[in-house]
Amino acid sequence: AQTVTQSQPEMSVQEAETVTLSCTYDTSENNYYLFWYKQPPSRQMILVIRQEAYKQQNATENRFSVNFQKAAKSFSLKISDSQLGDTAMYFCAPLFGNEKLTFGTGTRLTIIP
Amino acid sequence: DAGVTQSPTHLIKTRGQQVTLRCSPKSGHDTVSWYQQALGQGPQFIFQYYEEEERQRGNFPDRFSGHQFPNYSSELNVNALLLGDSALYLCASSLAQYGYTFGSGTRLTVV
Repeated sequence: AQTVTQSQPEMSVQEAETVTLSCTYDTSENNYYLFWYKQPPSRQMILVIRQEAYKQQNATENRFSVNFQKAAKSFSLKISDSQLGDTAMYFCAPLFGNEKLTFGTGTRLTIIP
Repeated sequence: DAGVTQSPTHLIKTRGQQVTLRCSPKSGHDTVSWYQQALGQGPQFIFQYYEEEERQRGNFPDRFSGHQFPNYSSELNVNALLLGDSALYLCASSLAQYGYTFGSGTRLTVV
C-alpha cells in the first residue's frame, strides 16, 4: 500500500520567518509526481508546488521550494519570508501510477504577526 | 478561466435519505475525482471517472455511486445516509498528471 506521512500536525512561526513542513511516503514505483496543496479556512484546495520524481532539480515557486530526496522518499516544503496569508492546512499528495492523489493527514500552519 | 464548480455549497440531510452532489470540471479537463474530507483529516479518495466510466474506486461502500456525463461533469450520489457521512466532499478535475484542480467543496451534514 502507498502511504503518506506528515509528522507535524501543527506548526507556528513568526511572520517573515522560514518554515519547513515534512512529508515522507512509501511506494515501489519509480516515476510519479508530488504535490503540496494548501487549504485555507475557505476550504478551497490550492496547488502550491509540483515536483516530478524523475527530475533531480528541486522545484521552486516564488517563496515556496521543496527538498526532494527520492531515495529517502522525502518531500519537504520550505516557505520563506512567511506571510499571514500562508496560514492554512498544508497537505502533501503524491500522484502515483494509479493516477489518484493520495493525501497525508496535513500540517496546520499558523503565521503569527 | 472557470475552475471547478461544485453545488450545492452546503447541505443538511436526515439519516437514511439520499443525496446528489454535482461537479463541473475545469475547462479542458476530462477526468473527475471525488474525495471525502472529514473534519481535521486529509481527503480520502472515493472514486474517479474518465470517459463516463468509473476508472478506479477507493475503500467506500456501494452506497456511494457516481456518474460522469458527456460534457465531463459529474455527480456523486450517496444512499441511505449515515451520521458518519457528514463531511466536506471535494471534487477535483485533471488532465493527465498535470495536477488536480479542486472545487470549494460541498459541506454535507447528516442529522
